[in-house]
Amino acid sequence: GIQVEQSPPDLILQEGANSTLRCNFSDSVNNLQWFHQNPWGQLINLFYIPSGTKQNGRLSATTVATERYSLLYISSSQTTDSGVYFCAVAAGTSYDKVIFGPGTSLSVIP
Amino acid sequence: DTGVSQNPRHKITKRGQNVTFRCDPISEHNRLYWYRQTLGQGPEFLTYFQNEAQLEKSRLLSDRFSAERPKGSFSTLEIQRTEQGDSAMYLCASSPGQGLYEQYFGPGTRLTVT
Repeated sequence: GIQVEQSPPDLILQEGANSTLRCNFSDSVNNLQWFHQNPWGQLINLFYIPSGTKQNGRLSATTVATERYSLLYISSSQTTDSGVYFCAVAAGTSYDKVIFGPGTSLSVIP
Repeated sequence: DTGVSQNPRHKITKRGQNVTFRCDPISEHNRLYWYRQTLGQGPEFLTYFQNEAQLEKSRLLSDRFSAERPKGSFSTLEIQRTEQGDSAMYLCASSPGQGLYEQYFGPGTRLTVT
């Protein structure tokens, strides 16, 4: 099956700093989402981005499907950005069986 | 739109007991998914429904697990004869279907088997 890797596994940022999180996947995908899991366990949708670039406030994401990676950019980080960031992909004929990466744990300190 | 809801939020049970969790998807979403997440890991797919039909089940879903979506609205996940290894967060998600696949997650049910 498809393999999903995320880097870095852990990241500590000073408030106000920028960061880039990466998601690599081993096969062509037809569905890619980025999620933020807050400290209470809730998974929050950030982007649905199987290809191209999207922006939402301080966050933006780019997926280069032909090169099998996606990037999540966080600018001017805030303490509320802390948590775990997951990318999740689906491949082949199954748009529904998404496979999650291991996540990037982000801590933003004041 | 109130989002995906799950009940209970927490469940503590003794090994060998049966437990049942409920998920209410976003209204008019015809696809519903169950995932399991253990500490430090990403969620793992268990099963999904399109309306009332269960279309795919993971190998993780042993014979002790059963899921239903009887009227194509809410869903239940039952675990029989719970084991300590079943302790995890059980997450439910829904998506509109019909070519729209973005999944929206509920807050999860945290199961502890003692």
